[in-house]
Amino acid sequence: GNSVTQMEGPVTLSEEAFLTINCTYTATGYPSLFWYVQYPGEGLQLLLKATKADDKGSNKGFEATYRKETTSFHLEKGSVQVSDSAVYFCALSKGGGGADGLTFGKGTHLIIQP
Amino acid sequence: KAGVTQTPRYLIKTRGQQVTLSCSPISGHRSVSWYQQTPGQGLQFLFEYFSETQRNKGNFPGRFSGRQFSNSRSEMNVSTLELGDSALYLCASSLGSANNEQFFGPGTRLTVL
Repeated sequence: GNSVTQMEGPVTLSEEAFLTINCTYTATGYPSLFWYVQYPGEGLQLLLKATKADDKGSNKGFEATYRKETTSFHLEKGSVQVSDSAVYFCALSKGGGGADGLTFGKGTHLIIQP
Repeated sequence: KAGVTQTPRYLIKTRGQQVTLSCSPISGHRSVSWYQQTPGQGLQFLFEYFSETQRNKGNFPGRFSGRQFSNSRSEMNVSTLELGDSALYLCASSLGSANNEQFFGPGTRLTVL
């Protein structure tokens, strides 16, 4: 079956540091890949997505590239801010929106210190 | 435009009881999906409803059921509650096509004692 593996953390960085959160997946066919973010006390928000190989999703300074050869979708940001502190989830689905059912990783808790 | 709303936000039940959770999607959205979030298992897909029909289903026992009404509001029911059912239950709504973005609600925190 489908699965997503990501580093769980917590990951603690200083403000303005470079961020990488690794995500690898196992799936049949050609899934769509997503990064969601969950702020304390809130639901999930879609951060970015990519629907085919070599696509790059980007939003709010974050970006991730769909790498089929390495089955990866690593999240990166060049300079993190305190407001980026949250839990980040990598996910996949067959459909481009995920309504057919998203398969999530366990989540990575990111803490940014001033 | 109002977001996805879930009621109640917090719920405490005892083992053996049943519970019903409610989700109101964004206006115009016809698809509602439900997820269970626990520290051990993470986020797991329960089921998706579209136009009052269950269209997709995850791997959960029959104690977990749902339904959708003609106004797209959805309810999720868990019967014969177990301690392991303690979780944050999230719902998400979308327009319903495969490529439409899902929007998540804040969740209902269920505690089973």
